Amino acid sequence: DAGVIQSPRHEVTEMGQEVTLRCKPISGHNSLFWYRQTMMRGLELLIYFNNNVPIDDSGMPEDRFSAKMPNASFSTLKIQPSEPRDSAVYFCASSPGISSGTDTQYFGPGTRLTVL
Amino acid sequence: TQLLEQSPQFLSIQEGENLTVYCNSSSVFSSLQWYRQEPGEGPVLLVTVVTGGEVKKLKRLTFQFGDARKDSSLHITAAQTGDTGLYLCAAFTGTASKLTFGTGTRLQVTL
Repeated sequence: DAGVIQSPRHEVTEMGQEVTLRCKPISGHNSLFWYRQTMMRGLELLIYFNNNVPIDDSGMPEDRFSAKMPNASFSTLKIQPSEPRDSAVYFCASSPGISSGTDTQYFGPGTRLTVL
Repeated sequence: TQLLEQSPQFLSIQEGENLTVYCNSSSVFSSLQWYRQEPGEGPVLLVTVVTGGEVKKLKRLTFQFGDARKDSSLHITAAQTGDTGLYLCAAFTGTASKLTFGTGTRLQVTL
C-alpha cells in the first residue's frame, strides 16, 4: 500500500510567486496534517483536517498561507505571495483518526521549498 | 517557550556505545510518542507510551515514560550506524489529534 504522497519533492521559486504543495493521504485515513520543519523552529503543525474539515489552523503563520482538502484523497497548501522566510521542508501526514491520544501519524517524504 | 525540551541537541558517538536521550516538560501528557527521522524523509513512529512509569523495548531501544507523565527517555544500547538520525518526542496537546513535537536530538553514530 502506498504511503503518503507529496508533490513536488523540491520547489525553487522567486519571492512573490505563488506556491502550491500537494498531498495524497493514505487511503482510509480520516485525519490529515500539514507541518513545516526548519532548523530554527523544528517541526511545527500548521493545520489539520478531520474528515476533510479544517479543525485547527492556529499554526498557519499568516494570511499568505491557505490549505484546502476538497476530498478525502487530496489536499493542498498554498503560499501566496511567497517570501524567503517561507523556505523550509513541508510535510504532510495522515492518520486513521480512530484513537485520539495514541493515533499513529504517517508522514510523507516532504517538499523542500526554497524561496529566493 | 518550547513545550517539549529534548537533550542533548546533538550527540556524536562511536558504534557500540550506549546513549540516552531525554524529553522534558512541565506539562502532564496522556501519552507521548517517539519518532525517528532520517535525512530526506519524514519522521517515522517508533513507540507510543501511555502509562506513567511504563517501559517499552524495541530491540536495542528502551523507552520510558516518567511516573508523573511529564518526561520520557530513550536509551539505545550498543548503537549502530543505522541508528543515525533525528529523534523527536511528541505529545498530544489541545485537541485530541494535535501533536506537538519536541526540539529534537540529532544522533550521529560513526564506525
